[in-house]
Amino acid sequence: GENVEQHPSTLSVQEGDSAVIKCTYSDSASNYFPWYKQELGKGPQLIIDIRSNVGEKKDQRIAVTLNKTAKHFSLHITETQPEDSAVYFCAARGGLWDTGRRALTFGSGTRLQVQP
Amino acid sequence: DAGITQSPRHKVTETGTPVTLRCHQTENHRYMYWYRQDPGHGLRLIHYSYGVKDTDKGEVSDGYSVSRSKTEDFLLTLESATSSQTSVYFCAISESELGYNEQFFGPGTRLTVL
Repeated sequence: GENVEQHPSTLSVQEGDSAVIKCTYSDSASNYFPWYKQELGKGPQLIIDIRSNVGEKKDQRIAVTLNKTAKHFSLHITETQPEDSAVYFCAARGGLWDTGRRALTFGSGTRLQVQP
Repeated sequence: DAGITQSPRHKVTETGTPVTLRCHQTENHRYMYWYRQDPGHGLRLIHYSYGVKDTDKGEVSDGYSVSRSKTEDFLLTLESATSSQTSVYFCAISESELGYNEQFFGPGTRLTVL
């Protein structure tokens, strides 16, 4: 099945700086890569996603890049604000273990702190 | 917010007791999922459903069973709870093909097994 590794586990930046979170995946057939933001006490919420036929996608201060050859993708947040503080998860849609179906496999998460 | 509720939101139970967690959706989405969240592991898929009475195993299904008798409800049962099942459990839903479109998550259930 798919294996997703996420780094760093914690990240602290000053307000206004940029933050970058990186993920690698193992299944070369994975074709969908979402990023989720989880605030304290809440469920994860999708913030941006990218499909395997696209190399980069932007949405205001958030961007995601995908390198299929190297099997890694990254989340970029520019002009960070205190409300960006949360745990961020990457995920990859790869093969399920023995059923042939596909499902999301999540990274272990990055706790981002934006210092005012 | 997507119309997903989970009950109970918090539960403390003892080893060996049965526990059932409920996920209820008002979006009429076909796919429903149960994940567990543990420090250092992100979210791991326990079971999922692709329709009424259609379910399948995920990555960490041992010790769990599920049922879906109605589109809107997806139940997760721990037949005999163990301390290793202490976790935060999230339900999620999606409209179309497994994992390929946005999954909406519920608020979570914090389960403690003593």
